[in-house]
Amino acid sequence: AQRVTQPEKLLSVFKGAPVELKCNYSYSGSPELFWYVQYSRQRLQLLLRHISRESIKGFTADLNKGETSFHLKKPFAQEEDSAMYYCALRVTGGFKTIFGAGTRLFVKA
Amino acid sequence: EAGVVQSPRYKIIEKKQPVAFWCNPISGHNTLYWYRQNLGQGPELLIRYENEEAVDDSQLPKDRFSAERLKGVDSTLKIQPAELGDSAVYLCASSQSGGGEQFFGPGTRLTVL
Repeated sequence: AQRVTQPEKLLSVFKGAPVELKCNYSYSGSPELFWYVQYSRQRLQLLLRHISRESIKGFTADLNKGETSFHLKKPFAQEEDSAMYYCALRVTGGFKTIFGAGTRLFVKA
Repeated sequence: EAGVVQSPRYKIIEKKQPVAFWCNPISGHNTLYWYRQNLGQGPELLIRYENEEAVDDSQLPKDRFSAERLKGVDSTLKIQPAELGDSAVYLCASSQSGGGEQFFGPGTRLTVL
């Protein structure tokens, strides 16, 4: 069965510190992975997708098929990064998206 | 552009009552999704529409939930009768196509007493 696991419900770091939000997935096919973000009082929005291989707001994520992981990283966290982050897996062909339970990132001044 | 519009934003009802949620997707988006998000969890897909056709409703509890997307634009999700366990945030999203980027609405927070 397809599954997305985000082991940390809450991650608290100081401003300027590196941050890594972990995501592991279970899927037998070829995965499409995404990170979504929800800032306070805003709607859920796409942050980045693995096929784009781009850096958004300083965040990057590399798909590691061997470890079935898609961790989100940023070298220097900012206070405005505080938000809820969801890792998501899209099933090939069916377009069904499976979300993890989310990690709340809190960046302290 | 307003993005995906949902109403109402909040709804409080007693159990066994009916409730309906409305979604207006972004203009031109053919694919529409309804998700349910329980407290402390990520969104879970209930149903996906391609135009007016429901192409994935495997997670929709069909004994009490129903949905429609007339004319392939607006959509309504209904629960009748509501149960305590239905308390959640109901999210609507749309995309240009099934494989495109999903844009989410603000959600409807349902509380069943």
